[in-house]
Amino acid sequence: DAGVIQSPRHEVTEMGQEVTLRCKPISGHNSLFWYRQTMMRGLELLIYFNNNVPIDDSGMPEDRFSAKMPNASFSTLKIQPSEPRDSAVYFCASSLGAQGSNQPQHFGDGTRLSIL
Amino acid sequence: AQSVTQLDSHVSVSEGTPVLLRCNYSSSYSPSLFWYVQHPNKGLQLLLKYTSAATLVKGINGFEAEFKKSETSFHLTKPSAHMSDAAEYFCVVNSGYSTLTFGKGTMLLVSP
Repeated sequence: DAGVIQSPRHEVTEMGQEVTLRCKPISGHNSLFWYRQTMMRGLELLIYFNNNVPIDDSGMPEDRFSAKMPNASFSTLKIQPSEPRDSAVYFCASSLGAQGSNQPQHFGDGTRLSIL
Repeated sequence: AQSVTQLDSHVSVSEGTPVLLRCNYSSSYSPSLFWYVQHPNKGLQLLLKYTSAATLVKGINGFEAEFKKSETSFHLTKPSAHMSDAAEYFCVVNSGYSTLTFGKGTMLLVSP
């Protein structure tokens, strides 16, 4: 069974450019999470969707970041305009059950983003 | 409120010796607790979870963890380290209708 699939695996772009990260959750999972991981701040939750609806976006750093989940099998995280401080590894995770349930989250392999 | 503290940022062991990665948590409610492992350039992989059943939880790759409510601990152990166990390990707590709280991670180094 396929796990969480993220694309691209690596992205290098210049500051000011728009960046779009993509995620396909595990089929049947109804919760989806976007995280950012850096050496300085560790793993940070950016946004959480349940049944395609954004439930908690308090972790989204600023208006330059936006996330969508148009259907149960696809989500995007967009940064526009991008800045060097956005450089990080971005993970998508999915789970069966709402946030707060005892169901574990399953992570993709991440997108390593470098903004020059 | 909930929090999790991983007591060691780095742990070094020799291959074949026991592994102990320490985790303490605080929670207002009965928590669910998880250990994840992250190998280089990979996402987090679930090792094991505790969800108020047996206090000794067995996971993949020979790892296990014991939930001790009196000590608010959930330490991860393995009797004999293997080179392939070298990775970063995260302890995670979930107290109910809230977001997961991740520890800062413990890097396990295994020498031959």
